[in-house]
Amino acid sequence: EVQLVESGGGLVEPGGSLRLSCAVSGFSFRTYSMNWVRQAPGKGLEWVSSISKSASSTFYIDSVKGRFTISRDNAKNSLYLQMNSLRVEDTALYYCVTEGGAPQVLDHWGQGTLVTVYS
Amino acid sequence: QSVLTQPPSVSAAPGQKVIISCSGSTSNIGNNYVSWYQQLPGTAPKLLMYENNKRPSGIPDRFSASKSGTSATLGITGLQTGDEADYYCGAWDSSLRVGVFGGGTKLTVL
Repeated sequence: EVQLVESGGGLVEPGGSLRLSCAVSGFSFRTYSMNWVRQAPGKGLEWVSSISKSASSTFYIDSVKGRFTISRDNAKNSLYLQMNSLRVEDTALYYCVTEGGAPQVLDHWGQGTLVTVYS
Repeated sequence: QSVLTQPPSVSAAPGQKVIISCSGSTSNIGNNYVSWYQQLPGTAPKLLMYENNKRPSGIPDRFSASKSGTSATLGITGLQTGDEADYYCGAWDSSLRVGVFGGGTKLTVL
């Protein structure tokens, strides 16, 4: 069974930092590109970032470029999102998501970890 | 403002059919696969359809999808109260080099 378990969310002041982690099991992690998708309270889905299987390619939405860094450790079956210079508008539930097959086929989702940036 | 455009809400009676539209551009829907996601209240999204019209294992054939040009549609027949959820379309945008979603459509089964 595919499992993705996010952790690392919490309360932080604007300008602060958090590091999200996603522990995966039940599939061959190194064969999947991975994504972070977020959802602000009461709002829709917003794609944040993705990383290729070997970490050779990374992509970000403009609003997080230069502030967030996606990474992975295939030996530890783990995905990360380092979030710096956090803003109130980064407040959201952050989902770790596998990307199977064609680009942006987001086939397995974790339960999410909540990031709250308050002023 | 989402890159992909969906109606905010749709509704229909149990047993009826509903269609949800998703409009984009050549850089996303026009030249890439479309996926659809179902988000039941209080839960994480789930992949519902992928590569324009394919169903993952376990998704009933009441759900269908298609793509034409820069638009896509999701169809649900034999509506059930358990289908009440938010539905999102998604795709890769080759010009922006980002993933994009529609704003979501809330389905109400009256």
